[in-house]
Amino acid sequence: DSGVTQTPKHLITATGQRVTLRCSPRSGDLSVYWYQQSLDQGLQFLIHYYNGEERAKGNILERFSAQQFPDLHSELNLSSLELGDSALYFCASSVAITSGGVYEQFFGPGTRLTVL
Amino acid sequence: DQQVKQNSPSLSVQEGRISILNCDYTNSMFDYFLWYKKYPAEGPTFLISISSIKDKNEDGRFTVFLNKSAKHLSLHIVPSQPGDSAVYFCAASPTLSGNTPLVFGKGTRLSVIA
Repeated sequence: DSGVTQTPKHLITATGQRVTLRCSPRSGDLSVYWYQQSLDQGLQFLIHYYNGEERAKGNILERFSAQQFPDLHSELNLSSLELGDSALYFCASSVAITSGGVYEQFFGPGTRLTVL
Repeated sequence: DQQVKQNSPSLSVQEGRISILNCDYTNSMFDYFLWYKKYPAEGPTFLISISSIKDKNEDGRFTVFLNKSAKHLSLHIVPSQPGDSAVYFCAASPTLSGNTPLVFGKGTRLSVIA
């Protein structure tokens, strides 16, 4: 158990709908990352939040948005869903880095989104 | 443009033998490399890492080798065990900071046959 929780585990919805995926990082971790894994693809970085602020954006569509709340949990909002948005969505967290150390990212179990 | 490439989608190895998983990268700014292991229905879990100042890092049965001039790294598992059967992802980062996103390869599915 990585200590990162994601809900829901599975989500089935229809095209055009909007969904919210939730992530709670490990206790003490200030950084939250969202990744998307489509079929036969590696994990594609979507967005990174650090202590409530957006730090970096990757291949995130304009229909997708995220936020990190004061309690450090994060939500990924996906709207106007298309068939191609069906994928596994992972959240990862890491500690803040202040000097020299190297910290891996700890991943949640993922949310499997199916758009019909 | 794939910056981290794992050219073998799958690999089968006999139990007790060596498993070698390969990874190539194109971005010379990458300085830190990680291997993650993923079982079905679970998130990736960190396995081992190496920074660009080293060419080898060992942790038990797992050793990662880095050849910076060739932009190539490999993960060796010796001896391979059935429980090692999983998808292995190579990932890279331009910094040693925990505050940068990782760039992942597409993964290699390892099957260890008893």
